[in-house]
Amino acid sequence: DAKTTQPNSMESNEEEPVHLPCNHSTISGTDYIHWYRQLPSQGPEYVIHGLTSNVNNRMASLAIAEDRKSSTLILHRATLRDAAVYYCILLNFGNEKLTFGTGTRLTIIP
Amino acid sequence: GAGVSQTPSNKVTEKGKYVELRCDPISGHTALYWYRQSLGQGPEFLIYFQGTGAADDSGLPNDRFFAVRPEGSVSTLKIQRTERGDSAVYLCASSRRSGMARGEQFFGPGTRLTVL
Repeated sequence: DAKTTQPNSMESNEEEPVHLPCNHSTISGTDYIHWYRQLPSQGPEYVIHGLTSNVNNRMASLAIAEDRKSSTLILHRATLRDAAVYYCILLNFGNEKLTFGTGTRLTIIP
Repeated sequence: GAGVSQTPSNKVTEKGKYVELRCDPISGHTALYWYRQSLGQGPEFLIYFQGTGAADDSGLPNDRFFAVRPEGSVSTLKIQRTERGDSAVYLCASSRRSGMARGEQFFGPGTRLTVL
């Protein structure tokens, strides 16, 4: 499976945008890019996913580089509730299991 | 609406004992997954069910671990002769269908297992 690389931790001020990077230089053409987050003492929560085009939903935006070797999860206006570990995961079509790394621990500063 | 539920929320047992962990998926979800999360690590895949059958059990660490889903809904993860290294949070997830590259998994809150 292709691997992802994320910073161990990031900090952001409340009410400001947050850009969480993910590198996946060995991504294959059929790998989807998924993002999950895990709030303290909870199970992971789906955030967003995409294949080639940028994606938006009510939680976040996903910006995918043209060569697909990196992507960025964008939280447009961070709140304290966004403090969590964010996981970038590649999922090949037909593969069912999510392979989590250690993710990025996001701290929101009030 | 009801999400994925897991019982018990906490389980403390002694080394060598047998434990069962239960997962109630979202109604109508045909796919069910078990993961295990050790402290400071991301979740690790254990097994995946499509309906009643285990479609992929490649993540089960050894033959002390077994999971069933007899009616295609509720699933039970069974651990025999527990060891201290089995201590972790056991997470269950479900999804509407297979082909997850295009969709999402819904996770439960987990069962925290402590083996003394």
